[in-house]
Amino acid sequence: QSALTQPASVSGSPGQSITISCTGTSSDVGGYNYVSWYQQHPGKAPKLMIYDVTNRPSGVSNRFSGSKSGNTASLTISGLQAEDEADYYCSSYTSSSTVVFGGGTKLTVL
Amino acid sequence: QVQLVQSGAEVKKPGASVKVSCKASGYTFTSYGISWVRQAPGQGLEWMGWISAYNGNTNYAQKLQGRVTVTTDTSTSTAYMELRSLRSDDTAVYYCARGTIRADHWGQGTLVTVSS
Repeated sequence: QSALTQPASVSGSPGQSITISCTGTSSDVGGYNYVSWYQQHPGKAPKLMIYDVTNRPSGVSNRFSGSKSGNTASLTISGLQAEDEADYYCSSYTSSSTVVFGGGTKLTVL
Repeated sequence: QVQLVQSGAEVKKPGASVKVSCKASGYTFTSYGISWVRQAPGQGLEWMGWISAYNGNTNYAQKLQGRVTVTTDTSTSTAYMELRSLRSDDTAVYYCARGTIRADHWGQGTLVTVSS
């Protein structure tokens, strides 16, 4: 199972919006509404930010939103804040009943 | 509150085995699966496998098939991940997490170093 494709890095200024893409295939992202997004700060465990493509766990800011079109899922962060600077990973359920992660995207808040 | 507490760091020689534990609390253990994810130094997340704490069913990443085993002890609400025939590229932080398709709570991570 190949990793999902994410941009290595994205950046934005405080207050702006950014979008991180996550491209897979019809056997994972495109075939199921089971895409999740995780935020990871250096030296910390990942934190679930979005699940089932569009849903936010309790306590996650509504500045984070998810969507999907075909084989590509996206995470949008609006009103960028300094504390949003972190690595972001997408994941998807697959047709083999496994999970595959993206390679990760480093978000820099300028 | 949901907590997953993992065992401490390990140093192993190539060819050895390691077993990492993950003790869950704050929820009904058998109502959720447990996933295992690892992260090599400076690298991304890699899914290793999962287990249903309800019936013990497992599924593993093809890359690790035959070398990894995930088990649970429902009497102590603890999950275990054993990795055998360790190689230097198995050096990583190993995480357990609650859930299968989505992981909503994570352990603190266990550093496993494989070095001769």
